[in-house]
Amino acid sequence: AQKVTQAQTEISVVEKEDVTLDCVYETRDTTYYLFWYKQPPSGELVFLIRRNSFDEQNEISGRYSWNFQKSTSSFNFTITASQVVDSAVYFCALSETDAGGTSYGKLTFGQGTILTVHP
Amino acid sequence: DAGITQSPRHKVTETGTPVTLRCHQTENHRYMYWYRQDPGHGLRLIHYSYGVKDTDKGEVSDGYSVSRSKTEDFLLTLESATSSQTSVYFCAINPTSGEVDTQYFGPGTRLTVL
Repeated sequence: AQKVTQAQTEISVVEKEDVTLDCVYETRDTTYYLFWYKQPPSGELVFLIRRNSFDEQNEISGRYSWNFQKSTSSFNFTITASQVVDSAVYFCALSETDAGGTSYGKLTFGQGTILTVHP
Repeated sequence: DAGITQSPRHKVTETGTPVTLRCHQTENHRYMYWYRQDPGHGLRLIHYSYGVKDTDKGEVSDGYSVSRSKTEDFLLTLESATSSQTSVYFCAINPTSGEVDTQYFGPGTRLTVL
């Protein structure tokens, strides 16, 4: 069975600090996708990034960057120079295939990390 | 905006009553999903659909049923609500049929079972 672990339940930082959110996954699939979603206090889920298992290049988008390492089954998310607006719950997720190898797009989520950025 | 709406957005009900949540999409996407969100568990898949009348169970399907009689609507029914089903329910769509793609989520329904 697939599994996603976000060991950090809560993180608290002061504005302008850098912060890294950890995500470790388990899967038997050779082809899979990893995602990060943000859930601000308003409650909606906002897509941040999708990565496939064949692309280990790090990605940077503004203050956000992602480090994907297959060797350690990790897909970590770093926010540089954090801001109060970054305060949210962040979820890492993994795509899933059934026993026949078919993907129906089902996602397995981690437990989420609550990030609080103080002014 | 992925064109997903959920109704109702909030509901309080009593144990033992049936409850139906509706997910409506405007883009005719084939794949739709129901998840529940609980503290400490993230989101967990309840049921999903890969076409009209084509549905299957997810990780936490006990106590829930679904129906998809037309492409745009995916209904989640709690036949006899229990307090353990108090949760926030999210509907999602997958814009790409048969492939892994980014799921986009509706605004959520907060359900309280007393």
